[in-house]
Amino acid sequence: GDSVTQMEGPVTLSEEAFLTINCTYTATGYPSLFWYVQYPGEGLQLLLKATKADDKGSNKGFEATYRKETTSFHLEKGSVQVSDSAVYFCALGLHSNYQLIWGAGTKLIIKP
Amino acid sequence: NAGVTQTPKFQVLKTGQSMTLQCAQDMNHEYMSWYRQDPGMGLRLIHYSVGAGITDQGEVPNGYNVSRSTTEDFPLRLLSAAPSQTSVYFCASRPRDYANNYGYTFGSGTRLTVV
Repeated sequence: GDSVTQMEGPVTLSEEAFLTINCTYTATGYPSLFWYVQYPGEGLQLLLKATKADDKGSNKGFEATYRKETTSFHLEKGSVQVSDSAVYFCALGLHSNYQLIWGAGTKLIIKP
Repeated sequence: NAGVTQTPKFQVLKTGQSMTLQCAQDMNHEYMSWYRQDPGMGLRLIHYSVGAGITDQGEVPNGYNVSRSTTEDFPLRLLSAAPSQTSVYFCASRPRDYANNYGYTFGSGTRLTVV
């Protein structure tokens, strides 16, 4: 069945380090892919999205490229800040039933 | 501000009690969903609705009921609370026009503890 696999956390980095959070998926058809972020005590917010192969989503310095050949949508940021500390969720959107399939989430901790 | 409003933010129930979690959105979104979030498990879909008068079950529907009498409101009812329902509950909505691939808008969540 359709699924999303994220790297386990927590991921702990120092400020200004390079970030990669891996996300791979299994799906039939051509899904849309999303990254959501959840800051402490808050709901989830859409961070970026990509709707077809080779699309690059970007927002707030974060980027992710929809790679159909490797079924991946890895999240990257060149220089993280303490304020980026949050839980990041990768999700797959199925056009067949309009719902999202979620990864388990990766907690990111940035130390000053 | 426009968005998804969930009430209450926190709730403690005794086993066997019933209650309703409220969710309202003012963006005229057709699609609404309820998720529960448990540590290490991401979000799991409880129930969803594709429009007023239409609801369907998600991955973990047992112990929960929903109704959608208006576009704006999508309440989640716990029929007889159990400790296994201790979780954080999120309501989310999005417009029908999936062709534009809009993401969901989430409420800020309800933290429920069943003792």
